[in-house]
Amino acid sequence: EAQVTQNPRYLITVTGKKLTVTCSQNMNHEYMSWYRQDPGLGLRQIYYSMNVEVTDKGDVPEGYKVSRKEKRNFPLILESPSPNQTSLYFCASSGRHSNQPQHFGDGTRLSIL
Amino acid sequence: GENVEQHPSTLSVQEGDSAVIKCTYSDSASNYFPWYKQELGKRPQLIIDIRSNVGEKKDQRIAVTLNKTAKHFSLHITETQPEDSAVYFCAASQATGYSTLTFGKGTMLLVSP
Repeated sequence: EAQVTQNPRYLITVTGKKLTVTCSQNMNHEYMSWYRQDPGLGLRQIYYSMNVEVTDKGDVPEGYKVSRKEKRNFPLILESPSPNQTSLYFCASSGRHSNQPQHFGDGTRLSIL
Repeated sequence: GENVEQHPSTLSVQEGDSAVIKCTYSDSASNYFPWYKQELGKRPQLIIDIRSNVGEKKDQRIAVTLNKTAKHFSLHITETQPEDSAVYFCAASQATGYSTLTFGKGTMLLVSP
């Protein structure tokens, strides 16, 4: 089954404790992206990757890091999480560019205390 | 960068009525305009998309129109049903150079039986 898998689905943690949210897709997609969703603000792009070892900033990259060492994986790293990063996070992938249908994961709800 | 404005933020209709959601974008280079539906607690899912070389696209009860001159596009849902109740997001993207996908802030559609 074609899917984008995110882990964990839920996480409560404390300020400053490094965390990683994993994202994996099994569709051999080149394009992968991370979004955060906040009430009243919609979906905002954090980082995207157009292929292995190619990443670029989206609209709200501050406080986040990503890596793309393998085509199928695109982890989101919060080196020193802060309460303003409490949000619902979605990973998505598509064939080659952002101008193709995005396949979203189920989301990760992060709470930073 | 691109800016996408979406209106209205909430929309209530009676079952069987039509619903229209409108979006405007700022970057004339954008050439791909998808619409996503997000049911409560679930991932966004693509329902229809349109590219800049067409003015209208239909899929059963939903249609999207695009006016490139005015830089706006709209989602039309006819004969609404309670299961159409969800949050709808428009988005805009271009594939040349960088490849971000910018979303509107969403419209909560409530269809009452």
